[in-house]
Amino acid sequence: AQSVAQPEDQVNVAEGNPLTVKCTYSVSGNPYLFWYVQYPNRGLQFLLKYITGDNLVKGSYGFEAEFNKSQTSFHLKKPSALVSDSALYFCAVRDTNAGKSTFGDGTTLTVKP
Amino acid sequence: NAGVTQTPKFQVLKTGQSMTLQCAQDMNHEYMSWYRQDPGMGLRLIHYSVGAGITDQGEVPNGYNVSRSTTEDFPLRLLSAAPSQTSVYFCASSYPGSGEAFFGQGTRLTVV
Repeated sequence: AQSVAQPEDQVNVAEGNPLTVKCTYSVSGNPYLFWYVQYPNRGLQFLLKYITGDNLVKGSYGFEAEFNKSQTSFHLKKPSALVSDSALYFCAVRDTNAGKSTFGDGTTLTVKP
Repeated sequence: NAGVTQTPKFQVLKTGQSMTLQCAQDMNHEYMSWYRQDPGMGLRLIHYSVGAGITDQGEVPNGYNVSRSTTEDFPLRLLSAAPSQTSVYFCASSYPGSGEAFFGQGTRLTVV
């Protein structure tokens, strides 16, 4: 079985400040990890993924994520938040042997001017 | 390149009616999935397919059927609609393994 936890329903940051959106996961094998973003009334859009190798993954729009195997975490980060980053963010995991992905419940990020 | 196309975008059904939500992708992806999104509950997997002719149940399959006769299409059938099936439905496709998912724009379904 595989599962994902996003412990924060909401994250609020001021524009220009760094942001972190947390994600922890559980899989029986090796994980593929993903972050997606959803804007209102839209489908999810891919931001970045971890497959193997470097624990720091860089993605779209200046986002990055740090994979930590010992803590089974994959936190999303950005050094300087923009108001336009305000959206719903989803973490997802897929076991390398599985055909399905499991998503977290989502974290609403609000960046205030 | 259209990506993942879902139809219809909006639908209102009466309790007990049946309907099919359509999903088509033009990226030759082997994996396809259906999710429902409800407030505070994230995305829950209904059914998924790892290739034509192969389907499997996800987390919340009851009341839904799927089939995968071609690589491109993955329709979701509601057999007898219930108000509990009021939700936003998303179809997604991806390459196997580490491939990221591509999502459709969603179908907002209301069952009255």
